[in-house]
Amino acid sequence: QITLKESGPTLVKPTQTLTLTCSFSGFSLSTTGVGVGWIRQPPGKALEWLALIYWDDDKRYNPSLKSRLTITKDTSKKQVVLTMTNMDPVDTATYYCAHHRGARLGFDFWGQGTLVTVSS
Amino acid sequence: QSALTQPASVSGSPGQSITISCTGTNSDVGSYDLVSWYQQHPGKAPKLIIFEGTKRPSGVSYRFSGSKSGNTASLTISGLQAEDEADYYCCSYAGISTPYVFGTGTKVTVL
Repeated sequence: QITLKESGPTLVKPTQTLTLTCSFSGFSLSTTGVGVGWIRQPPGKALEWLALIYWDDDKRYNPSLKSRLTITKDTSKKQVVLTMTNMDPVDTATYYCAHHRGARLGFDFWGQGTLVTVSS
Repeated sequence: QSALTQPASVSGSPGQSITISCTGTNSDVGSYDLVSWYQQHPGKAPKLIIFEGTKRPSGVSYRFSGSKSGNTASLTISGLQAEDEADYYCCSYAGISTPYVFGTGTKVTVL
């Protein structure tokens, strides 16, 4: 059974760096073809894909946010970490991590999401 | 990378069929048969209901079906039920460099 859970601060100040952790079970990030992605959703707005890390440590980022994002994995700890620098109130959103098993299958399992508010 | 375009809202009566469109470009929807659809109920995480354009994951109702023509993908919900009232998002693969783009989302209301 695949499960994912996001954790991190619920409140960050403008200009600070956000660090979110996705802890997962039921799969290995060393299995060929497997990845973990991050997607966010501002309150009342649409989903936005942020980043994706693959089993082979290949990384992909949303070009509009690429300069601010870093995604890393710790295969043994079964965790994926997303950092986003220079946070702004417009970054207030629910951040989700999701299991990815290739372009054919999309994001087939999602975490419950974590709401991050950016405010001074 | 611009968001895929979906209608803001679609409504229908119980038992009816509705279709949600998802319009992209030659760089995403038009180039790959790799559109996925997600259902999201209020306060919940999105749930995958269609992958690879037309396929349903195990456990997803047959009432959900996907299709594509040119740069536009579509999700059809047949035999509309009250439980189908939710937000729906499309997502397309867009190539190896920037793999994914989501749609603007559609709110489905069951009258």
